[in-house]
Amino acid sequence: GNSVTQMEGPVTLSEEAFLTINCTYTATGYPSLFWYVQYPGEGLQLLLKATKADDKGSNKGFEATYRKETTSFHLEKGSVQVSDSAVYFCALTPNQAGTALIFGKGTTLSVSS
Amino acid sequence: GAVVSQHPSRVICKSGTSVKIECRSLDFQATTMFWYRQFPKKSLMLMATSNEGSKATYEQGVEKDKFLINHASLTLSTLTVTSAHPEDSSFYICSAREVSGRHNEQFFGPGTRLTVL
Repeated sequence: GNSVTQMEGPVTLSEEAFLTINCTYTATGYPSLFWYVQYPGEGLQLLLKATKADDKGSNKGFEATYRKETTSFHLEKGSVQVSDSAVYFCALTPNQAGTALIFGKGTTLSVSS
Repeated sequence: GAVVSQHPSRVICKSGTSVKIECRSLDFQATTMFWYRQFPKKSLMLMATSNEGSKATYEQGVEKDKFLINHASLTLSTLTVTSAHPEDSSFYICSAREVSGRHNEQFFGPGTRLTVL
């Protein structure tokens, strides 16, 4: 079956620290991979995505590379800001039309100044 | 572009009553909409997949008679929680998938917080 595992939180960092949130997946075939972010009191927003092996998704200073050999899609940011405090969800969808996203459990990031 | 709205954003109701939640794609057509439930500090659980003009497909363990889903048009899906009970209190989120383009990308509504007293 398809599943996503991400590191347990919460992750607490100081401003300008380096961030890594690990995400690994299990899937049949070649899924598309996503990172979504949920700011306090808001809905989910797509942060970045990658649709095939070795693709790197990037947005707002965040990056993640689709690693088929390690079935991973780790999220990284070189220097976090207080405004990055949110819950981050790793997700996948099998490459079939109309299929839903499968989410990891989410990782809460708290950045202090 | 690609905005999804949900209404209401927050609702409080008495046990035994029914509540309807609307999910609209504002600037695109969505053949497929998904309904998720989010528990505190937990991930999103897919409840059902809603296709325009046909019956929804429910995930295992989700009561179709309790959570009625209607996808009447390419821009509107509704979730009705019938005879709500306190254990139905949760954050309900919909997402919509575009008819064309943006392969496999879904756009999420802001969610609806349901509290059943």
